[in-house]
Amino acid sequence: DQQVKQNSPSLSVQEGRISILNCDYTNSMFDYFLWYKKYPAEGPTFLISISSIKDKNEDGRFTVFLNKSAKHLSLHIVPSQPGDSAVYFCAATPQGGSEKLVFGKGTKLTVNP
Amino acid sequence: DTGVSQDPRHKITKRGQNVTFRCDPISEHNRLYWYRQTLGQGPEFLTYFQNEAQLEKSRLLSDRFSAERPKGSFSTLEIQRTEQGDSAMYLCATPWKGRDGYTFGSGTRLTVV
Repeated sequence: DQQVKQNSPSLSVQEGRISILNCDYTNSMFDYFLWYKKYPAEGPTFLISISSIKDKNEDGRFTVFLNKSAKHLSLHIVPSQPGDSAVYFCAATPQGGSEKLVFGKGTKLTVNP
Repeated sequence: DTGVSQDPRHKITKRGQNVTFRCDPISEHNRLYWYRQTLGQGPEFLTYFQNEAQLEKSRLLSDRFSAERPKGSFSTLEIQRTEQGDSAMYLCATPWKGRDGYTFGSGTRLTVV
């Protein structure tokens, strides 16, 4: 049972344009969401997070939007750069308890020069 | 500098052998997590420590797996009688201190031949 779903295995965009990565979740107990970026043979690198009390969080070129009623979040990267090419993972956790992360399967982003 | 050091980076072992991985958080945190990532999947939770106490184990963690965190600092993950299905990247993570999110180590890539 995939509680966090990233339905697009891959995404290709042109340098300078916007990249939009999507994520859906099914567990209503999730109230903290994170995006990670991963290069091959390395561990995931934290990008940005959002708590369920917010609907938007920005950090530089990265913005995460949360739609709780739709159980949907998205990561916007603008402008996209070739160095952004990587696999992006959406993760979620309920606050309290172990706060273990539940990850999606990832979306491979390719930014073309 | 990810804040978490993992050793070794790569391990090739023959089926049936035992292997041990080590995780060293650079700054102490009372929570420490182990995850496993296989090809095409996101990281999957294995186990969680609060200080030296192992508080939660995934059903992915068969009885061939054991993890410890003596003194609540570094942690080890041992796999006995390795099987080819154990081939994966094993990741260690702790919460950031003073920041959102979790920091992951670079992982140990295990290949069972």
